[in-house]
Amino acid sequence: AQTVTQSQPEMSVQEAETVTLSCTYDTSENNYYLFWYKQPPSRQMILVIRQEAYKQQNATENRFSVNFQKAAKSFSLKISDSQLGDTAMYFCAFRRYGGSQGNLIFGKGTKLSVKP
Amino acid sequence: DTAVSQTPKYLVTQMGNDKSIKCEQNLGHDTMYWYKQDSKKFLKIMFSYNNKELIINETVPNRFSPKSPDKAHLNLHINSLELGDSAVYFCASSRADLPGLSGNTIYFGEGSWLTVV
Repeated sequence: AQTVTQSQPEMSVQEAETVTLSCTYDTSENNYYLFWYKQPPSRQMILVIRQEAYKQQNATENRFSVNFQKAAKSFSLKISDSQLGDTAMYFCAFRRYGGSQGNLIFGKGTKLSVKP
Repeated sequence: DTAVSQTPKYLVTQMGNDKSIKCEQNLGHDTMYWYKQDSKKFLKIMFSYNNKELIINETVPNRFSPKSPDKAHLNLHINSLELGDSAVYFCASSRADLPGLSGNTIYFGEGSWLTVV
C-alpha cells in the first residue's frame, strides 16, 4: 500500500521569503503522479502543482516549484516570494498510474503561515 | 460556472437523522469520488464511481450509501447520523480516459460541512 508522509505539521515564513515543504512517499510502483494541493481556511481544495513520475524535469507553476527525487521518493514544494495569501494547509498526494483505478492518497498536511 | 458543485455547503442535524449531500460536475469527467476530512484535517477516500459503476469502496459504515444516477452526479446519503460523522465531505472528479497528467488530476468541490449534534 502506498503511504505519504509530511513531517512538518506547521511552518512559518516571512512575507517575500522562500519556504520549502517536505513530502516523502512509499510505493513499489514505477509510474504514478504526485500533487500538491492548497487548502485555505475556506476549506476549498486547490491544485497547486503536479508531477508525473516518469518525467525527470521538476514541475514549476509561477512561484511554486517542486524538487522531485524519484529514487529517494521525495517530492518537496518550494514557494518563492511568499505572499500572505499563501497561508493555508498544504497537502501532498499520490495517485497511482491507471486512470479510474487510482484515488488520491494524502499526507497529513503542513500548516503554512506567512507573516507580514 | 463551478466545475464540481456540492449542496448543501453547511448542514447541521441531529443524531439519528438521515441526510443527503448532492454533487454535480460539469467537466465531462467520468470518474467521481467522495472524500472525508475529519477534525484533524486528514483526507481519506470513501467511494469512487466510474461511469456510474462503483470501483472503490473503502471501509465505510454501511450507513453511507453513494448513488450515481448518471456520470455527472454522485450523491451521498447517510442514514442514522452519529456524532462521529461530523466532518467536511468533498466530492471530486477526474477524467479517466485521458492519458497523462491532465487525465489524472482530480478536481474537488468546495466541501460540505456536516455537523451532527
